[in-house]
Amino acid sequence: QQQVKQSPQSLIVQKGGISIINCAYENTAFDYFPWYQQFPGKGPALLIAIRPDVSEKKEGRFTISFNKSAKQFSLHIMDSQPGDSATYFCAALERGSARQLTFGSGTQLTVLP
Amino acid sequence: EAGVVQSPRYKIIEKKQPVAFWCNPISGHNTLYWYRQNLGQGPELLIRYENEEAVDDSQLPKDRFSAERLKGVDSTLKIQPAELGDSAVYLCASSLDTEAFFGQGTRLTVV
Repeated sequence: QQQVKQSPQSLIVQKGGISIINCAYENTAFDYFPWYQQFPGKGPALLIAIRPDVSEKKEGRFTISFNKSAKQFSLHIMDSQPGDSATYFCAALERGSARQLTFGSGTQLTVLP
Repeated sequence: EAGVVQSPRYKIIEKKQPVAFWCNPISGHNTLYWYRQNLGQGPELLIRYENEEAVDDSQLPKDRFSAERLKGVDSTLKIQPAELGDSAVYLCASSLDTEAFFGQGTRLTVV
């Protein structure tokens, strides 16, 4: 059972454009939603994260939008750059003793120069 | 501060042979995860430790996989015997609270 569903699988954007990646979840025990960026041959690195008590979080060109009622959240990359080309994973962490970090299937982003 | 260190970076073995991966987490991080990442997919949890206790190993194929975290610091993940389908990247991560920090992973190829 895939607890965190991510789309699209791949995304191609022109330099300067906006990249949008979407995720949906079912488990209401999730209370922390990070986005990870992974370059080839590297481990995932935390990009930005949000808790469900806020609807939006912005850090530089990266913004998370969170819709608690719809159980959806998305990553927006403004002014996308070729250096942003990587695989992006949404994830969700359960509160309490479970603390299992569950990942989406990933989105391969290509930003064309 | 050093990040999560994993070794080896790459390993090629023949099927039915044993293999072991090592992870040194960030100092002070009590939570340690082992994930498996197949090509083009997200990481999937194999086992989670809180200090030296394995608190979630429900996804670990226990017939061939084993793990240990002695003294609640370093950890090893072993596969014996390896199968062709075990080819993947094995990622170790550690955390103190919510943020998990990942190592570069070990790319295992079983031939």
